[in-house]
This record gives sequence, C-alpha cells and structure tokens, in this order.
Amino acid sequence: EIVLTQSPATLSVSPGERATLSCRASQNINSNLAWYQQKPGQAPRLLINGASTRATGIPARFSGSGSGTEFTLTVSSLQSEDFAVYYCQQYFNWPPEYTFGQGTKLEIK
Amino acid sequence: QVQLQESGPGLVKPSQTLSLTCTVSGGSINRGDYYWSWIRQSPGKGLEWIGFIYYSGTTYYNPSLKSRGNISVDTSKNQFSLKLNSVTAADTAVYYCVVYGDRKFDNWGQGTLVAVSS
Repeated sequence: EIVLTQSPATLSVSPGERATLSCRASQNINSNLAWYQQKPGQAPRLLINGASTRATGIPARFSGSGSGTEFTLTVSSLQSEDFAVYYCQQYFNWPPEYTFGQGTKLEIK
Repeated sequence: QVQLQESGPGLVKPSQTLSLTCTVSGGSINRGDYYWSWIRQSPGKGLEWIGFIYYSGTTYYNPSLKSRGNISVDTSKNQFSLKLNSVTAADTAVYYCVVYGDRKFDNWGQGTLVAVSS
C-alpha cells in the first residue's frame, strides 16, 4: 500500500498570507496525485489533479507542484473561505489501490 | 454534471450487513467514462476508498476490506449499491458515493452517516 504523509497536521496562517502544504508518498507515484478541500459538514471537493492541474472553477490562487514522492499545495493569498482541511490522494496503481493522506487543517492565525 | 444521493439505514448492528444505495440523477449510469465509487470517512482512519464499479459490472475493491465489500449496479434504476458484511464499530463512518472519471474523484454525494452499534 502506498502511504501518503501530510505535513503539518495543522497550519495557522493569517488571511492574505501564503500557505504551503506538503504531501509525501512512500514510493514514486509520478504525478498521480490529487488534492481535495473539505469544509465542516461537506464532502471533499477536488482542487488539483495530475499534481498540478486545477479542477474546473478552482481559483488561480491554488497551485500544486511536485512529482515522484514530494508534493506541495500552495494557496498564494488566503481568503476566509480557504480555511478548511486539505487532503492529498494518490491514484498510481492499476488495479487501483487508492489512498488518501491524513489531512492538514488550515486554520486562521 | 450528475448528482448523487446516498440512502440507507443509519444504524447497523455488529456482525450484520451494511447496505447503501446511491441514486444517480441528471445523467445515465450507462457511460463508459465513469467508475461509480464508494469512499468512507471515519475519525480513526480518515478517508478510505472502498471500491468502484463500471457500468458493465466490473468491480475493484480496496484489499484492506478483506473481501467484505460488494458493489453492484442497477442500470434500470440508475443506481449503484454497496454491501459490507460482518461490520464492526470500525466501520462506523460517513459513506460517500462518488464519480471517478478521467483519473479523479470530482463529483461527490453529500454523504450518509452509518453507525455500527448494538
């Protein structure tokens, strides 16, 4: 099983500042990584797939980078609606054995 | 974009079978570019992919379920279903039905909480 480790567990950032979230894979997954945002009481929402491609309707302040085992989600200028929990997810294997990271909570400083 | 709605009992007794249905609206389940998926979220294990089914009936499951899961599709009703047998408290979670297409989970139902308790 491919294990995804996200860091930090909680990130405190002020509105308007930049946030950088990390996701590390236990083995090479090329660019087969997605990022999701989840707000309380809601389902996760796809932000990024292919490590760096924004999903439809996702603002340009969200960007993803990385390949192999190290990945980063950056929110360039935090808005109030961006404070949420963020998950990474890999889809490297076929037949599928998809896994998620444990999440990073982005909170207001 | 299709809409997804989960339904089923919110409480299941230990050792029994959890059964959920996802109703797909706004589009046909008979399409070759989607896999119809189940994902669950529990406080202890976070988000966990359970498995998915293609409209033809081909299924893939998370090996960690140890063959307890079964996903089926009813194209006449535009629904797909999950059965998870021999449940324990560890199966208590919010269960989501999700569309998987083009290598992404980009359309989620609202989720339904299932508790396993006697």
